[in-house]
Amino acid sequence: QQQVKQSPQSLIVQKGGISIINCAYENTAFDYFPWYQQFPGKGPALLIAIRPDVSEKKEGRFTISFNKSAKQFSLHIMDSQPGDSATYFCAASMSGSEKLVFGKGMKLTVNP
Amino acid sequence: DAEITQSPRHKITETGRQVTLACHQTWNHNNMFWYRQDLGHGLRLIHYSYGVHDTNKGEVSDGYSVSRSNTEDLPLTLESAASSQTSVYFCASSESTGAMYEQFFGPGTRLTVL
Repeated sequence: QQQVKQSPQSLIVQKGGISIINCAYENTAFDYFPWYQQFPGKGPALLIAIRPDVSEKKEGRFTISFNKSAKQFSLHIMDSQPGDSATYFCAASMSGSEKLVFGKGMKLTVNP
Repeated sequence: DAEITQSPRHKITETGRQVTLACHQTWNHNNMFWYRQDLGHGLRLIHYSYGVHDTNKGEVSDGYSVSRSNTEDLPLTLESAASSQTSVYFCASSESTGAMYEQFFGPGTRLTVL
């Protein structure tokens, strides 16, 4: 049973465009939702995270939107740049546990 | 600077051999994790530890073991390597510091089992 479902699996956008990655979760006990960014040959690194007490969080060009009733959250990358080309993972965890359940990842390619 | 390192970075072994992958962190974090990354599966948790002498099974623990004798290290052992264990392995560490905690990942070990 996949607890966190991520879509699409891959995405190609032009420089300056908007990249949108969606995730849906099953377990209503999840209360922490981070996004990780991974460049080729490197380990993942935390990009941005949200808790369900807010519906949106913005850090620079990156925004998380959270819909608790639909059990969905998404990452929006505004003004996408070639340097944003990477694999993006959504994840979820619950209070009292720092175990993360990851989605399968999405490979983003931003063409110049 | 504090960091998390993994060794070796690349390893080729044969089916049936015992293999140990090292993970060392200098953040003094209590929590440590081992994941494997495979195409189409993302990152899957193998084992994790919340402190010295504490170990727990993750989603895909069969064929793997860990031990935690100090804060800095969490070695991952494949008791009898199988071709299905060919993967990229990542170690991570974290500390419970509040609402927005972060797992810091190592650079990964690419393991090939022939």
